[in-house]
Amino acid sequence: DAGITQSPRYKITETGRQVTLMCHQTWSHSYMFWYRQDLGHGLRLIYYSAAADITDKGEVPDGYVVSRSKTENFPLTLESATRSQTSVYFCASRGGRVGTEAFFGQGTRLTVV
Amino acid sequence: DQQVKQNSPSLSVQEGRISILNCDYTNSMFDYFLWYKKYPAEGPTFLISISSIKDKNEDGRFTVFLNKSAKHLSLHIVPSQPGDSAVYFCAASAVGGGADGLTFGKGTHLIIQP
Repeated sequence: DAGITQSPRYKITETGRQVTLMCHQTWSHSYMFWYRQDLGHGLRLIYYSAAADITDKGEVPDGYVVSRSKTENFPLTLESATRSQTSVYFCASRGGRVGTEAFFGQGTRLTVV
Repeated sequence: DQQVKQNSPSLSVQEGRISILNCDYTNSMFDYFLWYKKYPAEGPTFLISISSIKDKNEDGRFTVFLNKSAKHLSLHIVPSQPGDSAVYFCAASAVGGGADGLTFGKGTHLIIQP
């Protein structure tokens, strides 16, 4: 399917566990992003990537790790999950630099217990 | 410090009337603004955008106005329809302004009353 897909859609994990959220896009967009959505905060940028092997921190990067070995994939790893990382995570991609819209995946609802 | 502010958490409008959603920003480096619409359990979808060199952009029932001197933008929806009920996020970005991601407001929940 064309577009941007996230997996899993729902995930429950225990405190201290490592968990990876997957993001795949079929447009060959250069830019990819990870956001988290929390009540009272809107969408906050965790990490972004301008191209394969190029990543940079966003507003709330602590506790997260990303990689981008291929243009189409941008996994987000929580190295040791904490309850404060319970959130809805959205991946997005954009074809060019600023001035074009970003397209979002359907989200992953992560619960850390 | 919030750089993009949507001060109305919710807004209720009667079907057929105009919906006006407001957004303020503080970062003068922002030069591209977008509105996203979000339904529950779905990702945000792009609605309309405006560059800082314009003061208005229109797409069907949706019009975005930008007042750079006031650092304010608004989204007008005319006429409002039941399917417009959703959370609307204002977002902004800056060319060469650091992170290339969008900075979002907290969102406004628009409710269209029949």
